[in-house]
Amino acid sequence: GENVEQHPSTLSVQEGDSAVIKCTYSDSASNYFPWYKQELGKRPQLIIDIRSNVGEKKDQRIAVTLNKTAKHFSLHITETQPEDSAVYFCAASPPYSSASKIIFGSGTRLSIRP
Amino acid sequence: DTGVSQDPRHKITKRGQNVTFRCDPISEHNRLYWYRQTLGQGPEFLTYFQNEAQLEKSRLLSDRFSAERPKGSFSTLEIQRTEQGDSAMYLCASRKGPSGSGQETQYFGPGTRLLVL
Repeated sequence: GENVEQHPSTLSVQEGDSAVIKCTYSDSASNYFPWYKQELGKRPQLIIDIRSNVGEKKDQRIAVTLNKTAKHFSLHITETQPEDSAVYFCAASPPYSSASKIIFGSGTRLSIRP
Repeated sequence: DTGVSQDPRHKITKRGQNVTFRCDPISEHNRLYWYRQTLGQGPEFLTYFQNEAQLEKSRLLSDRFSAERPKGSFSTLEIQRTEQGDSAMYLCASRKGPSGSGQETQYFGPGTRLLVL
């Protein structure tokens, strides 16, 4: 089955700098890649997603890139702010099942230093 | 609040007891998921409903776990004879459309945190 690896597990950046989180997936048939942000004690919330027919997607300070050949995808946050501090999860959705379940990475704890 | 809701938010039980959690999805969403999240990990898929039909179950879902969605609206997850290893956050998510429809975003509830003593 699908396996998603995520790096780094923790990331600390200075406010205003950029943060990059990288993920790899194992199943080349996966076609949907969402990113979720989870603040302490709260529910995961979708921040951006990308489908396999697109190489890059941007939404204000957040961008995601997808390299299907290498089975890599990355989250880029520019001009980081204190409210960006949270755990970020990448995920992949293999198409084989009716569930279209999403397989999550293990998360990256992002801290923004003032 | 029109988001996914879950009840209770917290549950403490003794080993061997049964517990039941409830999830109310977003009203127009016919697809519902249960996930389990342990500390420091991402959510892990447990089971999936489309309307009232349970179409997929993970191997993580032992025979002590049962889930229902009798009328295709709310869902319940029951754990019988709880074990300490069942301690986790149980998350419910719902979705409106099929894969590739542009409506495949899964919206999560706040979760039920279970502690088995």
